[in-house]
Amino acid sequence: QKEVEQNSGPLSVPEGAIASLNCTYSDRGSQSFFWYRQYSGKSPELIMFIYSNGDKEDGRFTAQLNKASQYVSLLIRDSQPSDSATYLCAVHGSSNTGKLIFGQGTTLQVKP
Amino acid sequence: DAGVIQSPRHEVTEMGQEVTLRCKPISGHNSLFWYRQTMMRGLELLIYFNNNVPIDDSGMPEDRFSAKMPNASFSTLKIQPSEPRDSAVYFCASSRAENYGYTFGSGTRLTVV
Repeated sequence: QKEVEQNSGPLSVPEGAIASLNCTYSDRGSQSFFWYRQYSGKSPELIMFIYSNGDKEDGRFTAQLNKASQYVSLLIRDSQPSDSATYLCAVHGSSNTGKLIFGQGTTLQVKP
Repeated sequence: DAGVIQSPRHEVTEMGQEVTLRCKPISGHNSLFWYRQTMMRGLELLIYFNNNVPIDDSGMPEDRFSAKMPNASFSTLKIQPSEPRDSAVYFCASSRAENYGYTFGSGTRLTVV
């Protein structure tokens, strides 16, 4: 089992819809969780982080964390074509070594 | 803030040659990470430093790879000798503290022919 798993997609949604991106992780003691966006040919860019169970909202983005289910998700409301990118889930493990483990990423396509 | 600065942006080299990738982290960030990204394997952590000290190099694929951080503002990743399977995008990232998110550099696209 991979440490951080994501569906590679592509996930295709129409413009204006809600895009839901999901991620599961294997280390039950993981403490902090991050979502990065990566446009084709560019470097990953941090867009959200969450440490506690529940929801965290920032503009059109909402991160959701459920530690009991070892599940973290990212919702993008009112999706725009400019949101088309690969979204990477990343997790700090319980060993507190400081290193982030990344999932393979989900490719999102927002169609006008 | 100039962000994390990597050089070169692109490198094409012949198999067997030595390749050196360079990174300048964000000032004040005390953790530095080297990642490699390929389509097949995604983002893989190669090595990371905390306060200039290597903490975990378990991701370094083999002895051909080495990394140094002589001071807080500079790190290198060296591949000697290079092989075609080393072709990838190499990212450097830095972080203010171990549990913070990272800021990535623009990456070095390495092609070994």
